[in-house]
Amino acid sequence: RKEVEQDPGPFNVPEGATVAFNCTYSNSASQSFFWYRQDCRKEPKLLMSVYSSGNEDGRFTAQLNRASQYISLLIRDSKLSDSATYLCVVGKTSGSRLTFGEGTQLTVNP
Amino acid sequence: DAGVTQSPTHLIKTRGQQVTLRCSPKSGHDTVSWYQQALGQGPQFIFQYYEEEERQRGNFPDRFSGHQFPNYSSELNVNALLLGDSALYLCASSYRMNTEAFFGQGTRLTVV
Repeated sequence: RKEVEQDPGPFNVPEGATVAFNCTYSNSASQSFFWYRQDCRKEPKLLMSVYSSGNEDGRFTAQLNRASQYISLLIRDSKLSDSATYLCVVGKTSGSRLTFGEGTQLTVNP
Repeated sequence: DAGVTQSPTHLIKTRGQQVTLRCSPKSGHDTVSWYQQALGQGPQFIFQYYEEEERQRGNFPDRFSGHQFPNYSSELNVNALLLGDSALYLCASSYRMNTEAFFGQGTRLTVV
């Protein structure tokens, strides 16, 4: 079983749609959780950290359920510029080693 | 404020050769981690350097080695290149091995 598993995708949605990404992780000792965004042939960029209380940044909402070892990302009112691959990432506080999911590709269509 | 910088951006090598990739961390960062990203996959952790020592290592063979210099910059060396080593190599920096990491633009290595 992979340490971090994401929806396989790809997702194709119209502008303005709401899209949800799901992710599960297997290591219960994980302490840090993130969503990264990666544009084609570019480096991953931190989109947002994920906290147990949930957190929101504009159109983006991230949730963490430690009991279920489940992480989610919701994008509301999607824009063309949201087209990218979204990577679910898990880390430990004992070091900055990050474990990435394989990513879910999103295409927002006009 | 310079972010994480990597060099070169692209590289083509022949099977069996050796390659050295370089990384300068973001200003104020002292920890460098290296990742390999094959096409269509998420990045895979290679190793991490802090205080000039390898602190953690992923599931990569000994052909992959590294170094960190006193100015916190780092090198990744790969010996006896295989076709399967073709990938995007990403360097990430952080402060005191913190998990919040920032990535460089990567070096795209092609082995022919």
